Amino acid sequence: GAVVSQHPSRVICKSGTSVKIECRSLDFQATTMFWYRQFPKQSLMLMATSNEGSKATYEQGVEKDKFLINHASLTLSTLTVTSAHPEDSSFYICSARDLTGYSNQPQHFGDGTRLSIL
Amino acid sequence: AQSVTQPDIHITVSEGASLELRCNYSYGATPYLFWYVQSPGQGLQLLLKYFSGDTLVQGIKGFEAEFKRSQSSFNLRKPSVHWSDAAEYFCAVGLNDYKLSFGAGTTVTVRA
Repeated sequence: GAVVSQHPSRVICKSGTSVKIECRSLDFQATTMFWYRQFPKQSLMLMATSNEGSKATYEQGVEKDKFLINHASLTLSTLTVTSAHPEDSSFYICSARDLTGYSNQPQHFGDGTRLSIL
Repeated sequence: AQSVTQPDIHITVSEGASLELRCNYSYGATPYLFWYVQSPGQGLQLLLKYFSGDTLVQGIKGFEAEFKRSQSSFNLRKPSVHWSDAAEYFCAVGLNDYKLSFGAGTTVTVRA
C-alpha cells in the first residue's frame, strides 16, 4: 500500500536552530501534501497545504516566515522551522493526498516528527 | 462555525468487551466523515470513512461506524476489543476528502 515517509522521526536541538523535516511519498506522486502540528494530548491542527510547484497555503495564525514549506517535486515536501524556540516543540505530522485511485484512503500520513527545542 | 466534538477524553474498557466512541459534528452540509487511530509516537491510520450511501460503515480491525444525520453523529464501535486496540482515536470531518478538521481525540485504555 501507499506509504509516506517522514524524516527525521525525532530531533532535539538548541534554541535558534533551524530544523528541516522531510515528507516523502514512496510509491505514488502527491501534488498536495499537508502539514499538521499536534500538541501533547491534543488533536492535529492543520498548519498548511503544500502544493507541488507553487506556494503553500497557510492556515490562519500560522507564521509563514517561521514555518517554511517547499514542495519542489511530486514526492517530496519539506517543512523548515526557522530559528526554533522551545514553544515550537511539538509533534509534526505530514500527509500526502493520494489521487491514484489505487487506494481507498484519500490521504496517507507519515509517522510524525517529534521536535524538541532546548 | 464548523466543529468536531469527541465528548469522551478517555475510555477504559476490558479486553473482550464492546467499545463505542462518540463523535458529533457541526457543519453546514453533510461532510465527509473519518475515524483514524494513532499509536503512541506514530502517524494516523484510517479505520473507516463515510462519504455517502449505506450509513453503517465497516472498517479495518473489526471496527464499524454509523452515520446518523438527525443526530449529526458518527460513532465508532467494536464488538470485542483486543489489547492492541489501546490507542488514540480521532474523528475527522471535512467538506472534501482531504482537508480535514479533527476532534480532540479519545484515548482508549484496554485492561486485561
